[in-house]
Amino acid sequence: GAVVSQHPSRVICKSGTSVKIECRSLDFQATTMFWYRQFPKQSLMLMATSNEGSKATYEQGVEKDKFLINHASLTLSTLTVTSAHPEDSSFYICSGLIAQETQYFGPGTRLLVL
Amino acid sequence: QKEVEQDPGPLSVPEGAIVSLNCTYSNSAFQYFMWYRQYSRKGPELLMYTYSSGNKEDGRFTAQVDKSSKYISLFIRDSQPSDSATYLCAMIVIQGAQKLVFGQGTRLTINP
Repeated sequence: GAVVSQHPSRVICKSGTSVKIECRSLDFQATTMFWYRQFPKQSLMLMATSNEGSKATYEQGVEKDKFLINHASLTLSTLTVTSAHPEDSSFYICSGLIAQETQYFGPGTRLLVL
Repeated sequence: QKEVEQDPGPLSVPEGAIVSLNCTYSNSAFQYFMWYRQYSRKGPELLMYTYSSGNKEDGRFTAQVDKSSKYISLFIRDSQPSDSATYLCAMIVIQGAQKLVFGQGTRLTINP
């Protein structure tokens, strides 16, 4: 299967700071990438759809000014959590889309905001 | 009613047993059906995907889709402790936003 990497794998930050998470497709080009967050023992919740070279499409209830997404190339999308607060602590996962239907997921980034 | 329903479990079976995991859905427009496996603190891993009714086999795994009943299943034969994970079903409508709709996930434990 296709490989997606994420960096960092885990990050701890102070409340009020910003954190950037990188998502890279290593062996394919991903015109579309997706960002999810996952709380313990829950399923994945889609945050936004990121298309290369255009603005991301955010799901209802997701603050676009808080979760900044940049998809500047076919292999890299970034999610920046701005002015992070403890309630933003979660597991963030990205995926890259192949063909029209298949998503390959990264290993996830665990964010802890103190 | 959720678009995709999946029993969260937990499900615990002895090693070597046949495991059956199931999802039902309400949106008849879903065209592709996937099963992902997620180990604790890891991203989901694509196990199988199919787009037609019937069975698809890959090693110890068989995916089954019944579009008339809006029901999909994943069977695991000769289950191993390494199969212990959360299994997520997911579905997609190709036209438009191409967003995956996930089930809640079933936590599976295979006991040695």
